[in-house]
Amino acid sequence: GAVVSQHPSWVICKSGTSVKIECRSLDFQATTMFWYRQFPKQSLMLMATSNEGSKATYEQGVEKDKFLINHASLTLSTLTVTSAHPEDSSFYICSAIIGLAEFQETQYFGPGTRLLVL
Amino acid sequence: GDSVTQMEGPVTLSEEAFLTINCTYTATGYPSLFWYVQYPGEGLQLLLKATKADDKGSNKGFEATYRKETTSFHLEKGSVQVSDSAVYFCALRGSGGYNKLIFGAGTRLAVHP
Repeated sequence: GAVVSQHPSWVICKSGTSVKIECRSLDFQATTMFWYRQFPKQSLMLMATSNEGSKATYEQGVEKDKFLINHASLTLSTLTVTSAHPEDSSFYICSAIIGLAEFQETQYFGPGTRLLVL
Repeated sequence: GDSVTQMEGPVTLSEEAFLTINCTYTATGYPSLFWYVQYPGEGLQLLLKATKADDKGSNKGFEATYRKETTSFHLEKGSVQVSDSAVYFCALRGSGGYNKLIFGAGTRLAVHP
């Protein structure tokens, strides 16, 4: 089946530093990837849609300069949390779609990355 | 806007018990509805889906029926196993984008032998 990996699985960093999270589709090409964040006991909230070779589309209220997304290849998207602060501590999850997004309903999810900012 | 509400957990059951996890939604138009499952240490996996009213999604003994009149998509299983212990997410594909998923908060299920 379609497998999506994330790296790292967890990260602890100091306030003010930047953290990069990778999302890879291991056995398929993903034109579109999604980034979510999840606070404890809350829903997954879509942050942005990442399209290979073009700029990401951010959801309302998500700071694009804070959360930099790069989808440079069909198997890799990265999320960089810049100048991280404790309120950025969360669980970040990516997902990917096989083929054309408008025809695909199934998203394949990575296992998530837990970020703790001290 | 579109939203999904599901019952709070954790739900704790004995093996072979009947499971119901309630899910209701608010949406404009005709959303598709999904149940995702997340096993410990793994990513969310699609469990089942239904794309129109009165459709029944089913997989691995789990079922859910798209009820437009009650705006519900409750997840059921007749006899749970220890291996079903996981977090279950109800979701809808709303009108905001061709693949934008809106999730409920998730319900943790713990099944004991």
